[in-house]
Amino acid sequence: GNSVTQMEGPVTLSEEAFLTINCTYTATGYPSLFWYVQYPGEGLQLLLKATKADDKGSNKGFEATYRKETTSFHLEKGSVQVSDSAVYFCALSETGGGADGLTFGKGTHLIIQP
Amino acid sequence: GAVVSQHPSWVICKSGTSVKIECRSLDFQATTMFWYRQFPKQSLMLMATSNEGSKATYEQGVEKDKFLINHASLTLSTLTVTSAHPEDSSFYICSAENYGYTFGSGTRLTVV
Repeated sequence: GNSVTQMEGPVTLSEEAFLTINCTYTATGYPSLFWYVQYPGEGLQLLLKATKADDKGSNKGFEATYRKETTSFHLEKGSVQVSDSAVYFCALSETGGGADGLTFGKGTHLIIQP
Repeated sequence: GAVVSQHPSWVICKSGTSVKIECRSLDFQATTMFWYRQFPKQSLMLMATSNEGSKATYEQGVEKDKFLINHASLTLSTLTVTSAHPEDSSFYICSAENYGYTFGSGTRLTVV
């Protein structure tokens, strides 16, 4: 079956540091890949997505590139802010079109210190 | 943008009682909704897929008689945890399909 593995947290960084959260996946076909963010007390929000190999998703300074050869979708940001503190989930969808549910990683709690 | 409202955000119930969780799409019609469950420090695990007007499809290992899902309209799906026990304590979150996935804010269920 499908699975998503992401680095365990919490990850603690200073403001303006470079961020990488690793995510690798296992899937039988050609899934769509997603990063979701959950701020305290709120629901999951789509951060970015990529639907095919070599696609780069980007939003709010975050980026992730769909690497089929390494089955990875690592999340990066060049300079983090305190407001980026949240839990980040990597996820995949077999269909990408919303017909199936998502397979999630365990989530990575990111803490940014001023 | 699309909004999914989930209610209640938290609930405490006694063992043996039933609890209903509602998930509403506020500004769009959702033919498909998904229910997830999250244990502490674990992934969100898909429990079931509900389609408006038809029976829900449950993932392997999820008891359909315990987790009753009703999707009677295009804007409302409900999850009822029947005869709840402490091991059902968890975080439940719904998602609606609308050109992608929109999530509710989740429900923290504690069974005492």
